Amino acid sequence: GNSVTQMEGPVTLSEEAFLTINCTYTATGYPSLFWYVQYPGEGLQLLLKATKADDKGSNKGFEATYRKETTSFHLEKGSVQVSDSAVYFCALGRANFGNEKLTFGTGTRLTIIP
Amino acid sequence: DAGVTQSPTHLIKTRGQQVTLRCSPKSGHDTVSWYQQALGQGPQFIFQYYEEEERQRGNFPDRFSGHQFPNYSSELNVNALLLGDSALYLCASSQTSGGHQETQYFGPGTRLLVL
Repeated sequence: GNSVTQMEGPVTLSEEAFLTINCTYTATGYPSLFWYVQYPGEGLQLLLKATKADDKGSNKGFEATYRKETTSFHLEKGSVQVSDSAVYFCALGRANFGNEKLTFGTGTRLTIIP
Repeated sequence: DAGVTQSPTHLIKTRGQQVTLRCSPKSGHDTVSWYQQALGQGPQFIFQYYEEEERQRGNFPDRFSGHQFPNYSSELNVNALLLGDSALYLCASSQTSGGHQETQYFGPGTRLLVL
C-alpha cells in the first residue's frame, strides 16, 4: 500500500537559516505529492503540490521537487522566519485524482527562534 | 468566501457514548472527506462522501459512519466511543469535476476527548 516517511522532528532553527525537511514515499504508479502545514490550533493548509516527476511546487518561499528516481519530495526554504513555526505534513494521493484519499506522513514540528 | 467550517470545535464524551460531528464544505465544493488525527500523528483517512454516498473508505470500523446532505454538508457519527477515539477530526472538501485533480481544503477540526 501507499506510505509516506518523513524526517522525524522536532526541528529547531534560528531565523534566516536554511530548511530541509525530508520526505520519501512508497506508492503504486505515479502519485501526486503534497506538503500541508498546520499552524497551532488550526486545520491543515495546502502549502504546495506536484503532480508529475520533475515538477517543482513552490509557495511562500518554500519549494519541493518531485523526484521519481529517489521517490522523494523534500521541502526546502532558503531563509526561515519565526512565522514559519508549524507542523509540516508530506502527503500523497492518486495522480489526477487529488480529491481522493490522501496518505499523510507523521508530520515534522518546526520551531524557529529569533 | 467562507472556507470549510466544522462544529463543534471541542467535545468531551464518555466511553460508550455516541457523537455526531458536522462539516460544511467550501462554497462550490461537492465532495467531503473525513480524517482522524491522533495526537502527534498525521491524519488518517476515514471516508469520503460524494452525491450523498460513501465513495471511499479507509481502515476504520463500522462504528464510524457518515452522511452527506443535499446541500453537500456532512456528518460523521461515531458509536460506542472508545478512549482511543480521542483525536482531532478533520473535514476536507473538494470538487469532483470530470476526473480532474482538485485540491482538498481542510477545516479547523473538531477535537474530541473521550473519558
